[in-house]
Amino acid sequence: QVQLVQSGAEVKKPGASVKVSCKASGYTFTEYYLHWVRQAPGQGLEYMGWINPNSGATNFAQKFQGRVTMTRDTSITTAYMDVSRLKSDDTAVYYCARDRMVVGQPLDYWGQGTLVTVSS
Amino acid sequence: DIQMTQSPSSLSASVGDRVTITCRASQSINTYLNWYQQKPGKAPKLLIYAASSLQEGVPSRFSGSGSGTDFTLTISSLQPEDLATYYCQETYTTPPSTFGQGTKLEIK
Repeated sequence: QVQLVQSGAEVKKPGASVKVSCKASGYTFTEYYLHWVRQAPGQGLEYMGWINPNSGATNFAQKFQGRVTMTRDTSITTAYMDVSRLKSDDTAVYYCARDRMVVGQPLDYWGQGTLVTVSS
Repeated sequence: DIQMTQSPSSLSASVGDRVTITCRASQSINTYLNWYQQKPGKAPKLLIYAASSLQEGVPSRFSGSGSGTDFTLTISSLQPEDLATYYCQETYTTPPSTFGQGTKLEIK
């Protein structure tokens, strides 16, 4: 069955970086985009961007350009998201989710989420 | 960027009630509109895609309608397990793919 399993919770200081992983299984890794969505405590869902695991191409919401990097390792079907220069308002649960590489597709499977806490 | 506005932001209903949540886009998005259910402490779950298509395994009491700028999620007969926050999402432009602000559904 399709699974997206994310790495564990992180606590970071302001100005540091964090790397969250998303391990995919149960489907062909290179046939689905992987997207990242975050949710601050008590808040709604905020879209961050996607990576094409086949080509490595990425695309981000403008807010995150320059501070977020998305990569993948196809040999272990894992995607990664790096957030640099962390601020307190980056404290959130970060989710990965997949969609089929067709315009307009929904996010049909989600990871369990990774809590990143930014605190001095 | 496209803005998505959901209403109401919260609502309380009784078991068996018919519940309707609306989502309005700031420009036409055709039928590139999805609905998700998020239970407390859990990841979102896809309910409806392409405005009106029911995701496999989702109970038939959930339905979606609309096109262009105005969309609706309907629960025909509310069940206790439907306690959750519901989000709409446009996938007309990705990125950014914008979510609505959410509708928190409580059971009376």
